[in-house]
Amino acid sequence: QSALTQPASVSGSPGQSITISCTGTSSDVGSYNLVSWYQQHPGKAPKLMIYEVSKRPSGVSNRFSGSKSGNTASLTISGLQAEDEADYYCCSYAGSSSVVFGGGTKLTVL
Amino acid sequence: QVQLVQSGAEVKKPGASVKVSCKASGYTFTSYYMHWVRQAPGQGLEWMGIINPSGGSTSYAQKFQGRVTMTRDTSTSTVYMELSSLRSEDTAVYYCARGTLLSWAFDIWGQGTMVTVSS
Repeated sequence: QSALTQPASVSGSPGQSITISCTGTSSDVGSYNLVSWYQQHPGKAPKLMIYEVSKRPSGVSNRFSGSKSGNTASLTISGLQAEDEADYYCCSYAGSSSVVFGGGTKLTVL
Repeated sequence: QVQLVQSGAEVKKPGASVKVSCKASGYTFTSYYMHWVRQAPGQGLEWMGIINPSGGSTSYAQKFQGRVTMTRDTSTSTVYMELSSLRSEDTAVYYCARGTLLSWAFDIWGQGTMVTVSS
C-alpha cells in the first residue's frame, strides 16, 4: 500500500489551533473508522494520541481531537503549547490485517 | 506497570540476519497483538507486520514478505522479529508496539532497537 499523505510541516503560535490532515484512499481511511495518531518527540518512541478516528486514550489532553471525512482524517490541536512541538503520524487499518502510516508532519510552535 | 523492553543495538553486515526481542510485562501477554514498526534515520514510521501471541499467527507487510519472521515465546512473554538478507536500507530503529484489541492502534511501545547494516 502507499503511505497516507500528510503535510510535511505545520506551525502555529502558542494558544492557537492547528489541524494536520491525513489523506488516504477508499481502501484505507475511507473504508474503516480505524485511524490513529501518534506524537513523537526527537529520540523517543511514538505515543498514541487518538485512536478509532476520535477517541483519546486516558491521560491524553482534551486539546487533541480527531475527525474524518471521506478519505481524509484530521488531527486538531487547540491551545498550542511549546511541548506540542513534535512529529505527528497518522495511521490507518488498510484491510487484510495490514496497516499503513502517513509520512509524518513536523509541528513547530513559534 | 505495562511495558515492552527490547534487546540492545545491533551491527550487522549486508546479507546477514538480525533477531530483535521484545519482552512484555504488566499485562496478559496473550490478550494483545504485537506489531513491529521501523523508522529509518530521519524518516517516517513503517509498519512491518503483526503477530498474535495467543496462537502465533502472523501477517506481514508485502514489502517484507519472505524476509521477515515474527515469533513468540509465551513462557517468557517475549516476541521476536527476525529480518534476513539485510541491506543498508534496513538500517533503522525497530519498535515493537502493543496492538489494542479491534482498534488497530498501538498503545504501548518498546524503547526501540537500533539496527545498523554496514560493511
